[in-house]
Amino acid sequence: SAVISQKPSRDICQRGTSLTIQCQVDSQVTMMFWYRQQPGQSLTLIATANQGSEATYESGFVIDKFPISRPNLTFSTLTVSNMSPEDSSIYLCSVWGHGQYFGPGTRLTVL
Amino acid sequence: GQQVMQIPQYQHVQEGEDFTTYCNSSTTLSNIQWYKQRPGGHPVFLIQLVKSGEVKKQKRLTFQFGEAKKNSSLHITATQTTDVGTYFCAGPTTSGTYKYIFGTGTRLKVLA
Repeated sequence: SAVISQKPSRDICQRGTSLTIQCQVDSQVTMMFWYRQQPGQSLTLIATANQGSEATYESGFVIDKFPISRPNLTFSTLTVSNMSPEDSSIYLCSVWGHGQYFGPGTRLTVL
Repeated sequence: GQQVMQIPQYQHVQEGEDFTTYCNSSTTLSNIQWYKQRPGGHPVFLIQLVKSGEVKKQKRLTFQFGEAKKNSSLHITATQTTDVGTYFCAGPTTSGTYKYIFGTGTRLKVLA
């Protein structure tokens, strides 16, 4: 099973600012996924991050708002840009193994 | 669009009682997965079902995939306080093999 770490674990940010979330995996993986989980809700897939190519975004999510980098096979970042209170959520990265393995999440609060 | 719904949304049970959550998809699924998310934690993969009518057991947990591959259930026998959490089913989206849509979740509370 993959071991995934995320930084930061939580943050409180002011509206209009941006936050970059890091995801580190202990093994090389082709695809990494970013999810959002709004308070008390289910998980929603934001995008798939592939090394060496542009991330592919799901309906309702755009690159200008959620730029993603994937510089190598063990690391990815998700930036939440120009934040508003509606962006307050837990952001999780995941990779595939036997099922999906999730990182511990980044709990973001936007004031 | 594609939807995966779960019922009930919440369930409170006395310790020792049984619990079942039902998962219904708007589309036929090639497989279905189940996850458990403890309060304050992240989702943890439990199992994947692939075959129509498949039943799998993990100790007190019984998972079933419907014959039409559009629904699934998770049954817990004799709940324990360690079963507390939210249970999600998830199925592949119509747009990608490794992209999954998660169900709405069922939050289980177990009263000691």
